Formats: sequence, structure tokens, C-alpha cells
Amino acid sequence: GNSVTQMEGPVTLSEEAFLTINCTYTATGYPSLFWYVQYPGEGLQLLLKATKADDKGSNKGFEATYRKETTSFHLEKGSVQVSDSAVYFCALSPRNAGGTSYGKLTFGQGTILTVHP
Amino acid sequence: DADVTQTPRNRITKTGKRIMLECSQTKGHDRMYWYRQDPGLGLRLIYYSFDVKDINKGEISDGYSVSRQAQAKFSLSLESAIPNQTALYFCATSDLGPSGGNEQFFGPGTRLTVL
Repeated sequence: GNSVTQMEGPVTLSEEAFLTINCTYTATGYPSLFWYVQYPGEGLQLLLKATKADDKGSNKGFEATYRKETTSFHLEKGSVQVSDSAVYFCALSPRNAGGTSYGKLTFGQGTILTVHP
Repeated sequence: DADVTQTPRNRITKTGKRIMLECSQTKGHDRMYWYRQDPGLGLRLIYYSFDVKDINKGEISDGYSVSRQAQAKFSLSLESAIPNQTALYFCATSDLGPSGGNEQFFGPGTRLTVL
């Protein structure tokens, strides 16, 4: 079956530190990969995505590269801010060889990030 | 206005009560989903619907039922609530999109407490 594993949290950093949150996956077919972010008291928002191997998703200074050989999609940011404090979820959506989505998302357990001034 | 809305936002109920959570969307998407979020477990899929006549169980459907009243509305019911259904519930929508990427758009969530 499909599964997503994220690094254990919580992660606590000082402002301007480098961030990495590891994500590895198991899936059949050719999944699309996503990072979602949940700010306190809010629903999930799409942060970035990649739909095929070697694609790099990026948004708001965050980046993640779809690595098929290592089945990974690690999230990175060069300099975090206090406003980046949130819960981050890695997720996958399986697709068939023709690129058609099966529609469902499988989520990792989430990583809590806290950034101090 | 929000594209995906959920009502109520917070609800406290007692064991054995029937409760309905409602979701509406203005995005025009065919696909809608219900998830629950528990600390340390991420989001788990309860039910999903690819159109008004297509409803499917997710990984944790026991104790829940759904109704797709229209393209824009998807309701989740707990027929007889129990304390371990205390959680944060999210509705989401999606369409296929040109790349088949299946980006999902989430509502703000309903915090349900069963006493």
C-alpha cells in the first residue's frame, strides 16, 4: 500500500536557521508529492508540489525535490522566520502510468516546527 | 469569502448523540473528502466522493456515514457519537487538474468533542 513517513518532531529552530524536514514514501505507480502547511487554528494549505521525478517544487522560500531513486521529498528552507512556525505535512497522491490521479491523498503524521526570535 | 466552508466550527456533544458536520464549496470541484486529524497521526481519510453518485469509504469509515446532497455539499454524520471520535475534522475538495496532480483545498475544520 501507500505510505508516507516524516521525520519525528517537534523541530525547534532559531530565526534564520536552515530547515530540513525529511519525508520518504512508499507507493505503487507514479505518485504526485505534496507539502501542506497548517498554521495554528487553520486548515491545511498547499505549500508546494511536484508531479514527476526530479521536479522541484518551491514556494515562499521553501523547496523540495522529487527523488524517485531514494523515494524522498525532503522540505528545505535556507532561513526560517518566526512566521514559519506551523505543522508541516508531506503527502502523496498515486497516479497510473497515464498520469491519471486516483484522487486520494495519503499523509504523513506531520512535523511541528517552532521558530524562536 | 472562503471557498470551502464547514459548519459548525466547534461542537461539544454527548456519547450516543447523532451529529452532522456540513461542508460547502464554491470551487466547482467534483471531488470532496472528509478527514479526521488526531495528534501524531496526521490526517486519515473517512469518506470521499468523486461526484454526486459516487461515494467511497476511506481507511476509517466505521461509525461514520456521509451524504452528497449536491455537487457543492458533502455532509458527515456520526450516528451514535463515542468519545474516541473526538478529533478535528476537515473537509477538502479537488479536481483532476491538467497535470493530474490532485491538489486538495481544505476547509477550516470542525473541532468535535464527545463527552
